[in-house]
Amino acid sequence: SQKIEQNSEALNIQEGKTATLTCNYTNYSPAYLQWYRQDPGRGPVFLLLIRENEKEKRKERLKVTFDTTLKQSLFHITASQPADSATYLCAYGGSQGNLIFGKGTKLSVKP
Amino acid sequence: NAGVTQTPKFQVLKTGQSMTLQCAQDMNHEYMSWYRQDPGMGLRLIHYSVGAGITDQGEVPNGYNVSRSTTEDFPLRLLSAAPSQTSVYFCASSFRVGDSGNTIYFGEGSWLTVV
Repeated sequence: SQKIEQNSEALNIQEGKTATLTCNYTNYSPAYLQWYRQDPGRGPVFLLLIRENEKEKRKERLKVTFDTTLKQSLFHITASQPADSATYLCAYGGSQGNLIFGKGTKLSVKP
Repeated sequence: NAGVTQTPKFQVLKTGQSMTLQCAQDMNHEYMSWYRQDPGMGLRLIHYSVGAGITDQGEVPNGYNVSRSTTEDFPLRLLSAAPSQTSVYFCASSFRVGDSGNTIYFGEGSWLTVV
């Protein structure tokens, strides 16, 4: 069955460092991947989308890569800040177009 | 423009009771869906709709019912609540579903406890 995995449940880093989150998928070749941010008690909020023919996408301090050979997407936050602390979810469009989500990685940025 | 609005925010039900979680969007989106989020399980799709009058099952549809009589509204009904349905429920919408990768907009969630 289609599966998407975020390898780390939690990631702790120091302020100013680059956070790198990993998303792997199996048994499917998605046309795109999306990344969302979720704060405690809130709904997920869309951050970035990257398509299969795009190697890299950037938005301010955020960067996403998509490696169809490794079946992996990396999500980077450069110059991280405590305000970046949240859970980050990756998702891809399944065969019927619905989004299939990973379980998320909880990022904690320490001052 | 309110986006996706869910009510109620919090609800406690007794086993066997029924209730409806309301969801409305004002963005004229074709696609609407309901997810539940449980610790360690991530977001799982319950039901979805690609337009008024059209609904379909997601990954975990048992115990839930939906209808889509208008573009704006997509209520989720629990017919006979069970403790296993204790969860956080999110309604979501997007312009349309498909491989174009449309952004999904989520509501703020409904916390449901079944005792």
